[in-house]
Amino acid sequence: DAGITQSPRHKVTETGTPVTLRCHQTENHRYMYWYRQDPGHGLRLIHYSYGVKDTDKGEVSDGYSVSRSKTEDFLLTLESATSSQTSVYFCAISGSGRRDNEQFFGPGTRLTVL
Amino acid sequence: AQSVTQLGSHVSVSEGALVLLRCNYSSSVPPYLFWYVQYPNQGLQLLLKYTSAATLVKGINGFEAEFKKSETSFHLTKPSAHMSDAAEYFCAVSDPGGGADGLTFGKGTHLIIQP
Repeated sequence: DAGITQSPRHKVTETGTPVTLRCHQTENHRYMYWYRQDPGHGLRLIHYSYGVKDTDKGEVSDGYSVSRSKTEDFLLTLESATSSQTSVYFCAISGSGRRDNEQFFGPGTRLTVL
Repeated sequence: AQSVTQLGSHVSVSEGALVLLRCNYSSSVPPYLFWYVQYPNQGLQLLLKYTSAATLVKGINGFEAEFKKSETSFHLTKPSAHMSDAAEYFCAVSDPGGGADGLTFGKGTHLIIQP
């Protein structure tokens, strides 16, 4: 298994509070991604990174920001959490930007916003 | 824009029967296609991928998929279902900007195995 960990694994928070989710990898992969998974929607890309300090928006980036100060860590921040951000969040990594390269997924973080 | 359609949010088969999970895609460029499996409370694991080398792709756990350009399909099959195959299955297409831009996923199909 690819060395990807996510923390926390579960979190309950209240509307309006800031939340940061962490993705840590030990594979030294250049590309990292944050997805959210919701019933009936599959997985949707929030943000991705193609190197340290290099990030870009995905399909559902509103309300989220990211940072990558080290190769191994990719942080996802909800500046002011809303109930619509209740979801399961997955981090993924890839060693290459090639279209045929697979992505490896972390175990996920279940976030509940009350 | 890319899109993926998985027909059937739930598919139920008997143990030992054929498994067929359907995936149709749309892509503005030649597609690269993936099937992932998700077991309960786990992340996604790659089953197989199509990268234009061969239209019939074999993956792990006895699964295979056939790329049919004329039908824009990439259906997943397994000749004989096992109880351990019960999981959520996702079809995905790689975005034209390159793998760095992420994957576009279908909504998933929940496979139920009846004893």
